[in-house]
Amino acid sequence: NAGVMQNPRHLVRRRGQEARLRCSPMKGHSHVYWYRQLPEEGLKFMVYLQKENIIDESGMPKERFSAEFPKEGPSILRIQQVVRGDSAAYFCASSPPDHEGYEQYFGPGTRLTVT
Amino acid sequence: GQQVMQIPQYQHVQEGEDFTTYCNSSTTLSNIQWYKQRPGGHPVFLIQLVKSGEVKKQKRLTFQFGEAKKNSSLHITATQTTDVGTYFCAGIGGATNKLIFGTGTLLAVQP
Repeated sequence: NAGVMQNPRHLVRRRGQEARLRCSPMKGHSHVYWYRQLPEEGLKFMVYLQKENIIDESGMPKERFSAEFPKEGPSILRIQQVVRGDSAAYFCASSPPDHEGYEQYFGPGTRLTVT
Repeated sequence: GQQVMQIPQYQHVQEGEDFTTYCNSSTTLSNIQWYKQRPGGHPVFLIQLVKSGEVKKQKRLTFQFGEAKKNSSLHITATQTTDVGTYFCAGIGGATNKLIFGTGTLLAVQP
């Protein structure tokens, strides 16, 4: 059973470009969470999605950031017009259906560098 | 908003010494989870505590959930170099079901 997959593992973008981060949850998992981790800091919740629904996006910046989890395919975190402050590790986690409050399984992360 | 703090931020121990990290929430938690993140790696789930006053053990690791369900601790007995990493607590509380991570404690173990 493959774990949570994220790609790319490393992404370099120039200021003003778009970044697309993909996350495939574990098989059978329908809850996806995105977190951002700045160097030497903790994990900051960004958004919680279920298939085709955004459940909680209270941690998402109001501008430039969006997330989706379509019926088919991976979840996508999209950052438009990236700035240097967006440089961070972005982790995706998944959990099984009807298991809010249970452990989350993390992917290896995408390390975004904005030059 | 809900905040989860951990102390200390950083702990350096000699191999064989014990280590404890403490986790405090500003609100009552329905459960507390602990994760370990190795340098350059991703968080890995260790354990979940649900009941007030609950204590769980995993080999050299002992986890405790406070009576008021607002604090927790992780104790490692006789640390080893493989214990190196950042330990995060994470709790669910308040009006939402999202997991709020603590600030983390970075453990360094000198052989």
